Amino acid sequence: EADIYQTPRYLVIGTGKKITLECSQTMGHDKMYWYQQDPGMELHLIHYSYGVNSTEKGDLSSESTVSRIRTEHFPLTLESARPSHTSQYLCASRTSDGSSYNEQFFGPGTRLTVL
Amino acid sequence: KQEVTQIPAALSVPEGENLVLNCSFTDSAIYNLQWFRQDPGKGLTSLLLIQSSQREQTSGRLNASLDKSSGRSTLYIAASQPGDSATYLCAVNTGNQFYFGTGTSLTVIP
Repeated sequence: EADIYQTPRYLVIGTGKKITLECSQTMGHDKMYWYQQDPGMELHLIHYSYGVNSTEKGDLSSESTVSRIRTEHFPLTLESARPSHTSQYLCASRTSDGSSYNEQFFGPGTRLTVL
Repeated sequence: KQEVTQIPAALSVPEGENLVLNCSFTDSAIYNLQWFRQDPGKGLTSLLLIQSSQREQTSGRLNASLDKSSGRSTLYIAASQPGDSATYLCAVNTGNQFYFGTGTSLTVIP
């Protein structure tokens, strides 16, 4: 079944740790996105990719980095986590096959708490 | 920059009522608009997508409309059920990015 996966779902870590949030999709989508969402707030785009070896920063400044070595995989890394990084991180993907139907699909999210 | 606003921020209705959620956006140059549902602590589930050339889309008890020139969309939910309780978000696609509203938190009271 085509889907989009995120691991871990929940993560509690100490300040200064390096972490990687995983995102994988089985739909063959070219475009992938990372959003940050604080409780009761809108989603903010922090990174996106249009395909393998393509990564761009979004509107929201972020100290995280991403990579896109394979179409299906779009991990997000924080080199040194801080309490200000506590948030929910949502991964999404969509097709870019030129059709007008380009619905965005979301993963279940990773809730990160940095102590 | 595109700004998306959703009104009301919260809504509570008795079961069985029909209701309308509103979404407005400042720049009418959009490719499409997508409505999502988000349950607490979860990701977003796509409900309906309306292309910029369309006026409305229907799925079951849901009907979404789009008036691009006035920068407005509505999500109509018929015969609401307790299971409809969630936060509903709209997002506009400007080509490169999606811009999201802060959502309407809906509670349907049995």
